[in-house]
Amino acid sequence: DIQMTQSPSSLSASVGDRVTMACRASQNITNYLAWFQQRPGKAPKSLILAASTLQSGVSSRFSGSGSGTDFTLTISNLQPEDFGTYYCQQYDNYPATFGQGTRVEVK
Amino acid sequence: EVQLEESGGGLVQPGGSLRLSCAASGFSFNNYWMGWVRQTPGKGLEWVASISQDGTDQLYVDSVRGRFTISRDNARNSVYLQMHSLRAEDTAVYYCVREGRATIMLAYHWGRGILVTVAS
Repeated sequence: DIQMTQSPSSLSASVGDRVTMACRASQNITNYLAWFQQRPGKAPKSLILAASTLQSGVSSRFSGSGSGTDFTLTISNLQPEDFGTYYCQQYDNYPATFGQGTRVEVK
Repeated sequence: EVQLEESGGGLVQPGGSLRLSCAASGFSFNNYWMGWVRQTPGKGLEWVASISQDGTDQLYVDSVRGRFTISRDNARNSVYLQMHSLRAEDTAVYYCVREGRATIMLAYHWGRGILVTVAS
């Protein structure tokens, strides 16, 4: 199975900050990479697929980049509703696998 | 608006069985792959199973193959997860997800989730 490793595991930030988090795949997944946001007590929500394509209705403050094995999610101008945990997922190879998450906390 | 509503969760003893249901609305159900993803505090998110539009193709993670069966009823806009020989490690919140028309194992939309607890 492809291992997905996210870093950092948690970060503290303030409203208005620019935040960046990383996701690394254990082998080449081209651009078959998705990002999800999960607020406390809620289901995950799809943000980005194909490494950089924003899902419909998702704020343009979110952006994704990368290909191959290294990917990045950036949140610009962090807003209160952005605090939570972010997960990456590869869907290139069976079985699909998720990273362990990056928790974004209030500074 | 895409809506997915899970039901059927609860407490079950090890070795027991449970059937999860997911009622879908807000989209053309028979045009999309559907799936189940589960989440535990320890293992995080884990893709469990997917089923094709007409139900002829099913995919499973190794840890549930042979014990879980995913199925769908396009007339009822519903997808199911039949779980047998349940183990403590199957304890999780189970999410029904809508995948793509051709992109599989990718959750475009998620239900609220339902808790399954396997314990004596």
